[in-house]
Amino acid sequence: EDKVVQSPLSLVVHEGDTVTLNCSYEVTNFRSLLWYKQEKKAPTFLFMLTSSGIEKKSGRLSSILDKKELFSILNITATQTGDSAIYLCAVEGSSNTGKLIFGQGTTLQVKP
Amino acid sequence: NAGVTQTPKFRILKIGQSMTLQCTQDMNHNYMYWYRQDPGMGLKLIYYSVGAGITDKGEVPNGYNVSRSTTEDFPLRLELAAPSQTSVYFCASSYTLGGVYEQYFGPGTRLTVT
Repeated sequence: EDKVVQSPLSLVVHEGDTVTLNCSYEVTNFRSLLWYKQEKKAPTFLFMLTSSGIEKKSGRLSSILDKKELFSILNITATQTGDSAIYLCAVEGSSNTGKLIFGQGTTLQVKP
Repeated sequence: NAGVTQTPKFRILKIGQSMTLQCTQDMNHNYMYWYRQDPGMGLKLIYYSVGAGITDKGEVPNGYNVSRSTTEDFPLRLELAAPSQTSVYFCASSYTLGGVYEQYFGPGTRLTVT
C-alpha cells in the first residue's frame, strides 16, 4: 500500500530558528513529490520535486529530494511567526491522473 | 480568474440528510479532485476526474458520489449523511505539463453531521 509519512508531527520553535521537516514515502511508480503550506484554509503550493539531488529554493524555504532513500526534506531558515502553519507533503504515485497521496502533515508553531 | 471555488463554506446536516457540495474551476483544467481532511490528518482522496464524463474512486469513496458533465464543474454528493462524514472537504484541479501535475485547491467546505 502506498504511504507517505511526515515527521515530526508537530514542532514549536522561536523566531530566527532553522527547522527541518521530513517526508518519507513508499509509492509505486513515483512521479513527483510536492510540498504545501496550509494556514487557516486551503493548502497553497510550495514546491514540486521530480529529480533527485536538485534543491528547490524560494526565499527562506528550500527542499530537496532523495529518490534512492525515498525521502524529502523542507528547510525553513530564520523562521518568522508567519511561517506558523501545517506543512503537507504529497506524492504522485500513479500514472497520468495527478492523484496525490498526502502525509499527515507537520504542524509548525513559531513563537515570537 | 477566480481559480477553484466551493460552496457552501459551512454546513450542518442531520444524520440521513443529503446534500451536494459544489466545485467550479475557471482555469480550463481537465483534472479535478475531491479530498476530505479530518482533524490532525492529511488529505484523503475521495474521487477524481480526468475529464468531462470520466470519474474514478480514490482512497475513501464510500458514502459519496460525483459527476463531471462539464470541464468546469465537479459536484460531490452525500446521499445519507453519517457522523463519520464530518470533515473539511477540499476540491482541487490541476493541469499537466510534461507529465507532472500541480494542484490548485479551493477554500474548503466545513461539514458537520449531527
